[in-house]
Order: sequence, then structure tokens, then C-alpha cells
Amino acid sequence: AQKITQTQPGMFVQEKEAVTLDCTYDTSDQSYGLFWYKQPSSGEMIFLIYQGSYDEQNATEGRYSLNFQKARKSANLVISASQLGDSAMYFCAMSLTSYDKVIFGPGTSLSVIP
Amino acid sequence: NAGVTQTPKFRVLKTGQSMTLLCAQDMNHEYMYWYRQDPGMGLRLIHYSVGEGTTAKGEVPDGYNVSRLKKQNFLLGLESAAPSQTSVYFCASKQERGLYYEQYFGPGTRLTVT
Repeated sequence: AQKITQTQPGMFVQEKEAVTLDCTYDTSDQSYGLFWYKQPSSGEMIFLIYQGSYDEQNATEGRYSLNFQKARKSANLVISASQLGDSAMYFCAMSLTSYDKVIFGPGTSLSVIP
Repeated sequence: NAGVTQTPKFRVLKTGQSMTLLCAQDMNHEYMYWYRQDPGMGLRLIHYSVGEGTTAKGEVPDGYNVSRLKKQNFLLGLESAAPSQTSVYFCASKQERGLYYEQYFGPGTRLTVT
């Protein structure tokens, strides 16, 4: 069965420090995509970064990078130089070419401390 | 290009009342989804559609019905609202990116059932 696990319900990070949010996934499919979304307190879901299962290089988008370790089935989000505006819920998600749905993890709440 | 819009943004219902939530997308996406998000939980799929005239059940379909009469619209109906349906409802549509898929989310509808 396909599943996304995020083991950190809440995280704290000092402003300007880097932080890693963990995500592991379970699938027997060879072809899939991994996503991270940010949900600030205002409630909208904001797409951050995407990694394809066949991509050899880790995805990067500005201060966000995805540490993709295929053999370990992990897709951790790294935020460099944290800012106060990074305080939000972060969701890891997976899509499969053999599956019409996108599966979400339970989320990690990140708080950036000044 | 408005992306994904949801109507209404907020609603309060009494137990037993009915209502319909409207999701509209202007990106010509085939796939559309309805999720609910409850405190401390990730997004749970209610129903989804893979094209005009088609619908399918997700993880938590009971108490909801959907219709996709036009490609751009996906309606979520509550026939007899219950307090357990108090939640934030998100609509999403899926963009094909080669083998992989990215979802675009609407702003959400906050529903309270008293």
C-alpha cells in the first residue's frame, strides 16, 4: 500500500539556521513524483518543490531543496536560512503514474524563532 | 487565469441542512479532487474525478456526493450535514507533467455544522 510518513509533528528552528523536515514513503511503483507543500496559518496550500523518481539530481527551488534518497525511500525537505515567514505546516505528498490520486502525509508544524 | 477557485469561503450550517460547494478551474485539467482537512491531520480525499462525467470515491466518501457535469467544475454536496463534517474543504486539480503530476489547490472552504 502507498503511504507517506512524517515523523516530526512539530519542529523549532532559529531564524537564519537551516532545518530538515523528514518524509519517508512507501510504494512498489518505480515511477512516482514527490512533492512538498506549505500551509501557512492563512490556510492556503502552496506548492514548494517537486522530485521525480527518475531524477538523478536533488531538486532545488531557491532556499528549498529536496534530499532524495531513493534506496531509503526518503524525500526530506531542507530549508536554508530560515525566515520568520517559514513558520507553517509542511506536507509531503506522493503521486504515482499508476494511481489517480495524490497521497499526503500528516504534516510537520515548523516554528521559526527570532 | 484564476487557477482553482472555491465558493463559498465560509459557511455555517445547522445539522440536517444541505449545501453544495463549488470548485472551478480554468486550466483545462482533467483531474479534480475534494479533500477535507481536520485539526492535526493531513488532507483526506473525499471524492475525485478523472474527467467530465466521471466520479470516484476516495478515503472518506460517506455523507458526501459529487458531480462533474462540466470539465471546469466539480461540485461537492452534503445532503444532510452533521457536526462531524465540520472541516476545511479543499478542492484541487491536477496538472500533468510528463509522467508526473502536480496538484493546484483552491483557497479552501471553512464549514461549520452546529
